[in-house]
Amino acid sequence: GAVVSQHPSRVICKSGTSVKIECRSLDFQATTMFWYRQFPKQSLMLMATSNEGSKATYEQGVEKDKFLINHASLTLSTLTVTSAHPEDSSFYICSARDSTDGTQHFGDGTRLSIL
Amino acid sequence: QKEVEQDPGPLSVPEGAIVSLNCTYSNSAFQYFMWYRQYSRKGPELLMYTYSSGNKEDGRFTAQVDKSSKYISLFIRDSQPSDSATYLCAMSAGGSYIPTFGRGTSLIVHP
Repeated sequence: GAVVSQHPSRVICKSGTSVKIECRSLDFQATTMFWYRQFPKQSLMLMATSNEGSKATYEQGVEKDKFLINHASLTLSTLTVTSAHPEDSSFYICSARDSTDGTQHFGDGTRLSIL
Repeated sequence: QKEVEQDPGPLSVPEGAIVSLNCTYSNSAFQYFMWYRQYSRKGPELLMYTYSSGNKEDGRFTAQVDKSSKYISLFIRDSQPSDSATYLCAMSAGGSYIPTFGRGTSLIVHP
């Protein structure tokens, strides 16, 4: 099946640090990737849609200068949380849409803890 | 009213039981329906993917869509403790659209 690799799986860092999360589709091309945030016992909250070669589209209320997204190739998108603060602590999950059938496949998430 | 409603549970069943998980929705434009399974501290895994109304079976899993009632179901036969997870429904108006997710139902299958 389609595999999406997300790295790192766990980050613990000090307030003010910038953190970069990578999302790779390993065996398919993904012109579109998505970044979600998930709080405990809550559903996925879409943060932004990332299209290869163009600027990301951010959902209402998501600061684009805070959450920088780059989608430079058909298999890689990155999310950088700039100057992270404790309120940014969360579970971040990426997904990639398979261009051939439109199905969406998820990475295993990154648990970010800002001290 | 949310676009997609899903009871968060938890739903606790004995091993071997038939499990029924459900979602209702309000947007009649939804055509594609998906079920994902999410284990703790992991990303969601696509289980079933159906288009329009009808049934689809894959092993112990059956997905059912009733567009007239705006109601979808996932049935799990002969449930196992390893099926314990959160199950999220998702749906979209088309393959190029962004899916809308339910909040997930926590399932516990006890031995």
